[in-house]
Amino acid sequence: GNSVTQMEGPVTLSEEAFLTINCTYTATGYPSLFWYVQYPGEGLQLLLKATKADDKGSNKGFEATYRKETTSFHLEKGSVQVSDSAVYFCAHIPFTGGGNKLTFGTGTQLKVEL
Amino acid sequence: GAVVSQHPSWVICKSGTSVKIECRSLDFQATTMFWYRQFPKQSLMLMATSNEGSKATYEQGVEKDKFLINHASLTLSTLTVTSAHPEDSSFYICSAVEGVTEAFFGQGTRLTVV
Repeated sequence: GNSVTQMEGPVTLSEEAFLTINCTYTATGYPSLFWYVQYPGEGLQLLLKATKADDKGSNKGFEATYRKETTSFHLEKGSVQVSDSAVYFCAHIPFTGGGNKLTFGTGTQLKVEL
Repeated sequence: GAVVSQHPSWVICKSGTSVKIECRSLDFQATTMFWYRQFPKQSLMLMATSNEGSKATYEQGVEKDKFLINHASLTLSTLTVTSAHPEDSSFYICSAVEGVTEAFFGQGTRLTVV
C-alpha cells in the first residue's frame, strides 16, 4: 500500500544543534514528497517539496533529498532555533496522476531549547 | 503562496447542535478541496474529497450523513457537523488545490462540543 512513516517524537534539541527527522515511504508509482510544518494552534504550512528522484527541497535552512533507492526523504537543518519548535509532517502524493490526495506521517514534534 | 481561509478558527457548541465550518480559497480557484480531522498529537486523517459542483467522496469509516460537505463554488467548501457530540471534538483542517502538486491549508478550526 501507500504509506509514510516518520520517527516518533518528541525530539528535544538545544539551540544551534543539528536536526534530522527521518521519513520513509511506500508508494505504487512515482510519488511527490513533502514536508509540512504546524506551529501551535495553526494549520499546516508547506515547508519544502521534491517531485522526482534526487531532487533536493530546501527552505528556511531546512533540506530534504528525495532518495528513491532508500525510499526516504529525511528532513535536516544544520542549526535549529527556538522558533523552529513545531510539529513536522512528512507526506506524499503516492503516484503520478493521484490528484492531490496527500498521505501524512504521524508527525514529529520538535522542541528547541535555549 | 496562495491563501486558504478557514472560519471560524474555534467554536464551542452544545451537544446535539450543528456547526458549519467554511473553507475559502482567497486568490485562486480550487476545483478540489480536502477535509481533514486531527486528533491530539496524531496525524491528519483525510475525511473527504470535495469537488466543485459534485458530491463529496468520503473516506472509509466517515459518516457522510454526519459530516455534510458542500462545494458550491470554486472558492468555497463547507463542512457541517450535524448533531454534534463530545466525541466530535477535534481540530478540523481544510486544504485547497491549485495546479497539480500543490495543496494549501487553512488555519484549522478547533471544535469543542460540550
